[in-house]
Amino acid sequence: DAGITQSPRHKVTETGTPVTLRCHQTENHRYMYWYRQDPGHGLRLIHYSYGVKDTDKGEVSDGYSVSRSKTEDFLLTLESATSSQTSVYFCAIGGPGHSYEQYFGPGTRLTVT
Amino acid sequence: GQQVMQIPQYQHVQEGEDFTTYCNSSTTLSNIQWYKQRPGGHPVFLIQLVKSGEVKKQKRLTFQFGEAKKNSSLHITATQTTDVGTYFCAGIEGGSEKLVFGKGTKLTVNP
Repeated sequence: DAGITQSPRHKVTETGTPVTLRCHQTENHRYMYWYRQDPGHGLRLIHYSYGVKDTDKGEVSDGYSVSRSKTEDFLLTLESATSSQTSVYFCAIGGPGHSYEQYFGPGTRLTVT
Repeated sequence: GQQVMQIPQYQHVQEGEDFTTYCNSSTTLSNIQWYKQRPGGHPVFLIQLVKSGEVKKQKRLTFQFGEAKKNSSLHITATQTTDVGTYFCAGIEGGSEKLVFGKGTKLTVNP
């Protein structure tokens, strides 16, 4: 597996609290992605980054923000968590410049109560 | 925007039977990829198809990309219990930086 780690792996939080998920890579990939996976919806892109401090929105970006201050780290923040954001979150690296294939981290299971 | 439809959503087979999942895009794709996700795991890249009409094989798995580059299929011959998981297709439109995933086909195999 590619050198991608996600932290935390599991988190339970209350509605209205801020939450930050971290993705760390050791592969020096330029592109990094955040997806959420929900039953019946497959994988949906939240945000992605094409370089340090360069990010763009995906199809389900509302309620989420991202930051990338270093090549190896891509942070996903839920400013005020809602129950609809209960999901499994996957980070991925790859994309343009690497034959477009993507490699996924192990995922973070987030529960918002 | 671009949509990728995948059918069936679920497929139950007896070990040894064949399995096929189909993927259709609303737009012409520059390439299509297939991923496998084992229960409790993360998606793992299987293969990428780029050329119109392309066919690639990986042991018992056969991948096809349609002539119009809008559809694709994955066929597994003589399924085994190790094939259990969810298979996703994902397509890229020309010039895009983003993969659009189908919703996946969940395969279960009865021994």
